[in-house]
Amino acid sequence: QVTLRESGPALVKATETLTLTCTFSGLSVSTRGMSVNWVRQPPGKALEWLAIIDWDDDKYYSTSLKTRLSVSRDTSRNQVVLTMTNMGPADTATYYCARTTIGVLGRGGLDIWGQGTMVTVSS
Amino acid sequence: SYVLTQSPSVSVAPGQTARITCGGNNIGVKSVHWNQQRPGQAPVLVIYHNDARPSGIPDRFSGSKSGNTATLTITRVEAGDEADYYCQVWDNSGEHPSVVFGGGTKLTVL
Repeated sequence: QVTLRESGPALVKATETLTLTCTFSGLSVSTRGMSVNWVRQPPGKALEWLAIIDWDDDKYYSTSLKTRLSVSRDTSRNQVVLTMTNMGPADTATYYCARTTIGVLGRGGLDIWGQGTMVTVSS
Repeated sequence: SYVLTQSPSVSVAPGQTARITCGGNNIGVKSVHWNQQRPGQAPVLVIYHNDARPSGIPDRFSGSKSGNTATLTITRVEAGDEADYYCQVWDNSGEHPSVVFGGGTKLTVL
């Protein structure tokens, strides 16, 4: 069974940098054709995609947030790490990591999600 | 950037059929995926590539497309189906692929 689990601080201060970790169990983070996405959801609002890292280490970011985001992998720990700089109150949200795969029909849906981690930014 | 439009809410009585729509320009050429998010829980994929169901998803859930609209249909609606539903596509029109979500539809079971 493949599971993902997010971890990181529950509270950060404005202007600080947020670092979140997504730990994979049951599957290598380097599995060919697999990607890890980061998605966030402010309280009461819709899902917002942030970034993706592919199995071959290609990385893509949300256009509106790309100057603040960085995603990387630690294959020895089977983890994916997201950093977001210059945090502000508007970044208060639940942050999820989620898997997608690439098949004959192209990139698929986000088929495995972590439970999410709530991050509050204090001003 | 690509935009997906969903109605904010849909209400149905138990046992009836719920239809949740997702509109987007030329959505007919894209694969549409649907996620269910029950209150306080992480999203769950219920339909992928327009009309395929992941293992464990009841066959009461189905997906379709017509013109510029994709539809998630839930037959014989149960109380446990009450949730927010998000459609999702990949936008490959820019410099790189990106995920686009609709704004979500809240399904209320009366």
